[in-house]
Amino acid sequence: EAGVAQSPRYKIIEKRQSVAFWCNPISGHATLYWYQQILGQGPKLLIQFQNNGVVDDSQLPKDRFSAERLKGVDSTLKIQPAKLEDSAVYLCASSRNDRSPLHFGNGTRLTVT
Amino acid sequence: GENVEQHPSTLSVQEGDSAVIKCTYSDSASNYFPWYKQELGKGPQLIIDIRSNVGEKKDQRIAVTLNKTAKHFSLHITETQPEDSAVYFCAAEGGKGAGSYQLTFGKGTKLSVIP
Repeated sequence: EAGVAQSPRYKIIEKRQSVAFWCNPISGHATLYWYQQILGQGPKLLIQFQNNGVVDDSQLPKDRFSAERLKGVDSTLKIQPAKLEDSAVYLCASSRNDRSPLHFGNGTRLTVT
Repeated sequence: GENVEQHPSTLSVQEGDSAVIKCTYSDSASNYFPWYKQELGKGPQLIIDIRSNVGEKKDQRIAVTLNKTAKHFSLHITETQPEDSAVYFCAAEGGKGAGSYQLTFGKGTKLSVIP
């Protein structure tokens, strides 16, 4: 089966600019996650979707981050405006349901200058 | 919430030797513990997982042990090969309640296998 697809692979922006990341999960996977991975650390959950509904966004900085999953398939994560500390790899993961193993994409590496 | 501690942060072994990575967790309600391998420029890949009703699980050269009483679990890699070089992450399912399956990750262990 095809894996989790993410784009772009790399993005460089200046602080206060906006950026968007796209994720296409594995076909048939109902649960989708966005994780933030800062260099040298483990992934940290930002938001979890079940189909097109939000299950948990308690760790999403909602003043600048937003995410949506239209039609329960693809998802976008947006940052506006970006800060220097947002520099990280943004990983999308999906699972068949909320009790199944997670499959990660290769991530988008964001650099904020 | 769940807190996962992982040790060591870096580990170098000679090819053919064994490598052991240890993790502790804080939430006694957690019952799922996966291990991920992350190669440079790629996303984490699941290599083995264990549930709390099992004390040990093995898959070829990789094994995981779980001690629920002590709240720690370990990854064992035997007969290490250069291609095992990567960053390894442990994770534990946080106690967020039914319908919310969320992982908390350790900070990772960079394993280097020296030929």
